[in-house]
Amino acid sequence: DAGITQSPRYKITETGRQVTLMCHQTWSHSYMFWYRQDLGHGLRLIYYSAAADITDKGEVPDGYVVSRSKTENFPLTLESATRSQTSVYFCASSLGGGSGDTQYFGPGTRLTVL
Amino acid sequence: AQSVTQLDSHVSVSEGTPVLLRCNYSSSYSPSLFWYVQHPNKGLQLLLKYTSAATLVKGINGFEAEFKKSETSFHLTKPSAHMSDAAEYFCVVSEDTGRRALTFGSGTRLQVQP
Repeated sequence: DAGITQSPRYKITETGRQVTLMCHQTWSHSYMFWYRQDLGHGLRLIYYSAAADITDKGEVPDGYVVSRSKTENFPLTLESATRSQTSVYFCASSLGGGSGDTQYFGPGTRLTVL
Repeated sequence: AQSVTQLDSHVSVSEGTPVLLRCNYSSSYSPSLFWYVQHPNKGLQLLLKYTSAATLVKGINGFEAEFKKSETSFHLTKPSAHMSDAAEYFCVVSEDTGRRALTFGSGTRLQVQP
């Protein structure tokens, strides 16, 4: 039971480069989410997706692009990385989108932008 | 709008003594509330959730939380701390307003002394 996985787990890149973080879930959950975790801010929502080909912005979407061509995958792309995007990124999924639906989190990707 | 305040950024207890992690929330609607735990370099794991059923919620590993609407609180407790409980704990609120976002508190780091 793989659950939800993220790759890579660690990434170092340079300012201006494009970076894609991968997220894969095996539960066929409809909803998928991307969060970033920064000291003093907890986790903040970047983008979410209700189903394949349906995505919407969260609290901090600027500088990020998402796509969801398949239910199980939800990649996050930083088109031109900036130092302020150094963070830990978590992907999550849930069966439904209601307030009581539990979100299950991946192990995270630690991204450093030099 | 929803928000969460975790009243202590750090809590230190001795092994075998009770744990209390405090959380207050603000919500315009009937919220769902969650506690997640994050061990070092790991993803977030759900401890327990409240979704308008019983106000006393039991979770995994002996944790429980009580929803008190009059006090807008959702404090997390455990009768006897174990060394393995040392981690970061997040209180989370979710409203059924169409925004599929969880709002995280800034976290409480629990230290357990031998």
